[in-house]
Amino acid sequence: AQKITQTQPGMFVQEKEAVTLDCTYDTSDQSYGLFWYKQPSSGEMIFLIYQGSYDEQNATEGRYSLNFQKARKSANLVISASQLGDSAMYFCAMREGEGSQGNLIFGKGTKLSVKP
Amino acid sequence: DVKVTQSSRYLVKRTGEKVFLECVQDMDHENMFWYRQDPGLGLRLIYFSYDVKMKEKGDIPEGYSVSREKKERFSLILESASTNQTSMYLCASSNPTRGETEAFFGQGTRLTVV
Repeated sequence: AQKITQTQPGMFVQEKEAVTLDCTYDTSDQSYGLFWYKQPSSGEMIFLIYQGSYDEQNATEGRYSLNFQKARKSANLVISASQLGDSAMYFCAMREGEGSQGNLIFGKGTKLSVKP
Repeated sequence: DVKVTQSSRYLVKRTGEKVFLECVQDMDHENMFWYRQDPGLGLRLIYFSYDVKMKEKGDIPEGYSVSREKKERFSLILESASTNQTSMYLCASSNPTRGETEAFFGQGTRLTVV
């Protein structure tokens, strides 16, 4: 079974609108971390935002926010006021376990295209 | 700034060759990872290491091995390259025990096996 599921292979959004990228996860660990990365066409992986399993408030970083619903095991990324430069692949990832030995598992990604 | 450097950006190798992909990080990170990225499949973990000389298999270790003789260097080895190993390979490092949350990635190596 997939540990990270991103159900939207591709999405379109109009410039200046908000968009939500879906991510659900599966783990039996109590302690875990959730991440979102952006990969533009240049190929670099850019860290966007992090949410710890014990964090009570949703994480926010500028135009990015993470809608964390623990009971539903979902960690959706919300991008407000989309810009043309937001066009990229977006990956949701999870690190399971305590301490330093947890590996980092990625979803298959969502390709976001921002229309002018 | 954390830097993760992969030795090659593009690589072309012949079937059956032994291939070494090198990754070096300069921030004294404990964890290092090797992923391969293929269209529609996302990033799949090949191997990771949480300490020198320690390694753990990821989801797709078959056909690969790794070496971590020094903390800063994590090598991915294709013992006998095959065409189905043509892919983008990404190295990453992290250190969650220091309170640093994210993993930092290298620029990737696009390997073509002919």
